[in-house]
Amino acid sequence: DAKTTQPNSMESNEEEPVHLPCNHSTISGTDYIHWYRQLPSQGPEYVIHGLTSNVNNRMASLAIAEDRKSSTLILHRATLRDAAVYYCIPGGYNNNDMRFGAGTRLTVKP
Amino acid sequence: EPEVTQTPSHQVTQMGQEVILRCVPISNHLYFYWYRQILGQKVEFLVSFYNNEISEKSEIFDDQFSVERPDGSNFTLKIRSTKLEDSAMYFCATPGGLGVGNEQFFGPGTRLTVL
Repeated sequence: DAKTTQPNSMESNEEEPVHLPCNHSTISGTDYIHWYRQLPSQGPEYVIHGLTSNVNNRMASLAIAEDRKSSTLILHRATLRDAAVYYCIPGGYNNNDMRFGAGTRLTVKP
Repeated sequence: EPEVTQTPSHQVTQMGQEVILRCVPISNHLYFYWYRQILGQKVEFLVSFYNNEISEKSEIFDDQFSVERPDGSNFTLKIRSTKLEDSAMYFCATPGGLGVGNEQFFGPGTRLTVL
């Protein structure tokens, strides 16, 4: 399993963009980069995933470095509901047992 | 959005007792996964199950644990003789599509408290 490094915590102001970084320098060539989040007292929730190209969906954008050794989850306008622990998880498409790390705890201030 | 349900939401048991946690995944899905999260710690993979067989398991998933699909619509995680350290949130999850995809839907979890 690829090792990941994420900041333990980050803070953001409401309505401002948030960039959550993740280093995954040992990622294999076929691993996807998955992002999940866990709101307080809830189960993990899928956010986005990508392989090489940047990805956008209704929740967030994912920017993947050209060498794929790092990626950044972008929340374009943070809301109070976005306060959660965000996990970056490299993994194969057909091997979906997600191996969660410690993640980044995002605090959103009003 | 597809929904995964889990019962009970909270289970309290005495050490040494057997517990069965239930999960109703997205309809007709053959894959499901069990994870646990000890309070204040990270989410840990336990086991993946496909078409009535275990496909992968972690080192946590020892002989005390078993998974079954007792009928066509729900899956269970059984802990035969609970220990204090089994106290945790237990989550089940299934992929969003019929195949193995990248998006997993997690249930709300069962909080297991072992006294």
